[in-house]
Amino acid sequence: AQRVTQPEKLLSVFKGAPVELKCNYSYSGSPELFWYVQYSRQRLQLLLRHISRESIKGFTADLNKGETSFHLKKPFAQEEDSAMYYCALKAPPKAAGNKLTFGGGTRVLVKP
Amino acid sequence: DTGVSQDPRHKITKRGQNVTFRCDPISEHNRLYWYRQTLGQGPEFLTYFQNEAQLEKSRLLSDRFSAERPKGSFSTLEIQRTEQGDSAMYLCASSRGRETSSQYFGPGTRLLVL
Repeated sequence: AQRVTQPEKLLSVFKGAPVELKCNYSYSGSPELFWYVQYSRQRLQLLLRHISRESIKGFTADLNKGETSFHLKKPFAQEEDSAMYYCALKAPPKAAGNKLTFGGGTRVLVKP
Repeated sequence: DTGVSQDPRHKITKRGQNVTFRCDPISEHNRLYWYRQTLGQGPEFLTYFQNEAQLEKSRLLSDRFSAERPKGSFSTLEIQRTEQGDSAMYLCASSRGRETSSQYFGPGTRLLVL
């Protein structure tokens, strides 16, 4: 079974401080990993995906297959980063199913 | 706005009533997904369509739940004989037909069963 765990429900950091959101997954294969973000009163939107290997809004995430982790990092948090962040997993192409399996989410609060 | 749209945005109903939600995907997307999100949790997969074919259903989707996508465009999710445990945010997402396509989410329909 596929599972995503986000151990922190809440992360509170000061503006300009680094922030790291942890994501661990369970899947017997090579899944696709995503980070979605939901700002206040907005819909869930894709932040980044591991196959793109890009930085979005200063965030990066590296897939560590050995540790089955996909932690999200930003070196200098901004107040506009305050939001709910969800890590998600999808089975690789051709495998059964196209569903996303989400973690429980981490609320990030960036204080001025 | 060419994003995924959902209607209604909010629904309050009494236990035992039937409710129906609608989702309009992004026009060129042939895959459509329904998820449910309860307070403090991440979204949970319910079901998935490719064009008009329902290809996967979660065990969460009890017999009281039915989803359709009759012409491969919009989709409806119906809950019969609602229960208080059905109270949640119901999210719709769509994606292109390619396996590597990202899913784009709608604003959700918040259901409260009294």
